[in-house]
Amino acid sequence: EIVMTQSPATLSVSPGERATLSCRASQILSSNLAWYQQKPGQAPRLLIYGASTRATDIPARLSGSGSGTEFTLTISSLQSEDFAVYYCQQYTNWPYTFGQGTKLEIK
Amino acid sequence: EVQLVESGGGLIQPGGSLRLSCAASGFAVSSNYMSWVRQAPGKELEWVSLIYSGDSTYYADSVKGRFTISRDNSKNTLYLQMDSLRAEDSAMYYCARVGSFTMILTYWGQGTLVTVSS
Repeated sequence: EIVMTQSPATLSVSPGERATLSCRASQILSSNLAWYQQKPGQAPRLLIYGASTRATDIPARLSGSGSGTEFTLTISSLQSEDFAVYYCQQYTNWPYTFGQGTKLEIK
Repeated sequence: EVQLVESGGGLIQPGGSLRLSCAASGFAVSSNYMSWVRQAPGKELEWVSLIYSGDSTYYADSVKGRFTISRDNSKNTLYLQMDSLRAEDSAMYYCARVGSFTMILTYWGQGTLVTVSS
């Protein structure tokens, strides 16, 4: 099973600033990496797939990068609606696995 | 508009069974890959099961032999039969549609809560 490790566990950033979230895989993924956002009491929402392709209606201030085993989600100029928990997910091998999440909180 | 509505969760004793349902609208479950994903309170997501449009099925090791994913095309509904339930199966269970060409979860329901406790 591919283990996904996200860092940091919690990230405190002020509105308007930039946030950088990391995700590391225990095996090479190529670009088979997705990012999801989850707000309290809600289902996750797909943000990024193929490591860098934004899903429908996802704003350009969110961007994904990386390949192989190291991936990054960057949110430039944080808005109030961006404060949430973010999960990465690999889809190279079944079982498709998620990271433990990064909580992005308001500083 | 794509919609997924789960039902069937509740409180069940260890060793018991539950069947979760996921009613889909706006697309046909028969021609899409579908999945169940769960999340224990305060924990990360776990992809539990996957069914291909051709009826091949996949399960996480944690539920293999106890859970069965299926669908009823006439009702446009996805199911998860859960047997021999354990306390560690307690979680919010989400139904999700899988992407057409990639194994990503493009649409999610709001979830149904399963609590396994005596």
